[in-house]
Amino acid sequence: QKEVEQDPGPLSVPEGAIVSLNCTYSNSAFQYFMWYRQYSRKGPELLMYTYSSGNKEDGRFTAQVDKSSKYISLFIRDSQPSDSATYLCASGGYQKVTFGTGTKLQVIP
Amino acid sequence: EAGVTQSPTHLIKTRGQQATLRCSPISGHTSVYWYQQALGLGLQFLLWYDEGEERNRGNFPPRFSGRQFPNYSSELNVNALELEDSALYLCASRKQLDYGYTFGSGTRLTVV
Repeated sequence: QKEVEQDPGPLSVPEGAIVSLNCTYSNSAFQYFMWYRQYSRKGPELLMYTYSSGNKEDGRFTAQVDKSSKYISLFIRDSQPSDSATYLCASGGYQKVTFGTGTKLQVIP
Repeated sequence: EAGVTQSPTHLIKTRGQQATLRCSPISGHTSVYWYQQALGLGLQFLLWYDEGEERNRGNFPPRFSGRQFPNYSSELNVNALELEDSALYLCASRKQLDYGYTFGSGTRLTVV
């Protein structure tokens, strides 16, 4: 079993839609949780991180962590074509962060 | 503020050769991480360096090695290259007591 599981998609939505991206993790020792966005042929870009259960909001992005069920989510409101990218969830600690395989998102104008 | 810089951008090597990849972290960041991103496999953790020492290692053979220099820059060496080593190698840096990594744009290694 992979430590971080993520639906690879691809996910295709119309512009303006609410996007929900989800991951599960198996290691109870994981201390913090991150979401990265990766455009083609670029390195991943950190979107948000959190280390507690609950919601964290940043503009159109909301990260949600439920430690009891080991579930991580990212919601994107009012999605834009520029949001088209691969989204990677990640969790771990200082020693190492484990990444999901990424969900490819396409926002259609 | 300059981001994480990696060189070279692309590297083509022949099977059996050695490859050296370089990374300069963001100023003030003392930790450097190396990841391999092969097609369809996601990011796989390779190595973590902090304050010049190797602190953690992923599930890769010993022919993957590296080091961190006093200025916190880092080098990844891959010996006896195999075709399956073809991948995007990403370096990330982190400031002490911070959580988020900042990634470079990577070095695309092709082994032929």
